[in-house]
Amino acid sequence: DTAVSQTPKYLVTQMGNDKSIKCEQNLGHDTMYWYKQDSKKFLKIMFSYNNKELIINETVPNRFSPKSPDKAHLNLHINSLELGDSAVYFCASSSRDTLDNEQFFGPGTRLTVL
Amino acid sequence: GQSLEQPSEVTAVEGAIVQINCTYQTSGFYGLSWYQQHDGGAPTFLSYNALDGLEETGRFSSFLSRSDSYGYLLLQELQMKDSASYFCAVGRDDKIIFGKGTRLHILP
Repeated sequence: DTAVSQTPKYLVTQMGNDKSIKCEQNLGHDTMYWYKQDSKKFLKIMFSYNNKELIINETVPNRFSPKSPDKAHLNLHINSLELGDSAVYFCASSSRDTLDNEQFFGPGTRLTVL
Repeated sequence: GQSLEQPSEVTAVEGAIVQINCTYQTSGFYGLSWYQQHDGGAPTFLSYNALDGLEETGRFSSFLSRSDSYGYLLLQELQMKDSASYFCAVGRDDKIIFGKGTRLHILP
């Protein structure tokens, strides 16, 4: 069974379009995240949700809107896509019960904006 | 704010030992983690140090010195499959801050 899954794996779209990426985890974790990894491999946190509540928004443009219908899902909707949004987006989850806050990552979604 | 510094690239020979260093500046530090990421793959957790000292997991060891704001990942008996990027990360509040990663090249 896949622990953290994302769809789609690849997303190619035109500038100005709106797109969504879905994420689901079956680990029973209470915290979920979205990360952006750019072409230089820099892995940067975008959002963090705990039990469906937003707890971290790292100054991400408001074109990005996360939505958490329940604690097992955290979807990312992006409006008016720009060239600079091209990156790999990783969803992750963790449990607050662990000291190390180990992040369990999904396989990533490679977004290409043309 | 917080920042982590690690070398961008390291090259080593198969069978050898390599050390990847990480220095950090952060407030509210909880611990230092290491993640491995193969090309095209997702980051995967390797180790965590909350206290000073060495933690060993098979061929991999991780060290932390809180007084020096410094840590390292030690990989022994290098194998070609260890070719990957390695990220140090600090835990703070409800999030993890990642370094920019060290690309490890392994020569046969």
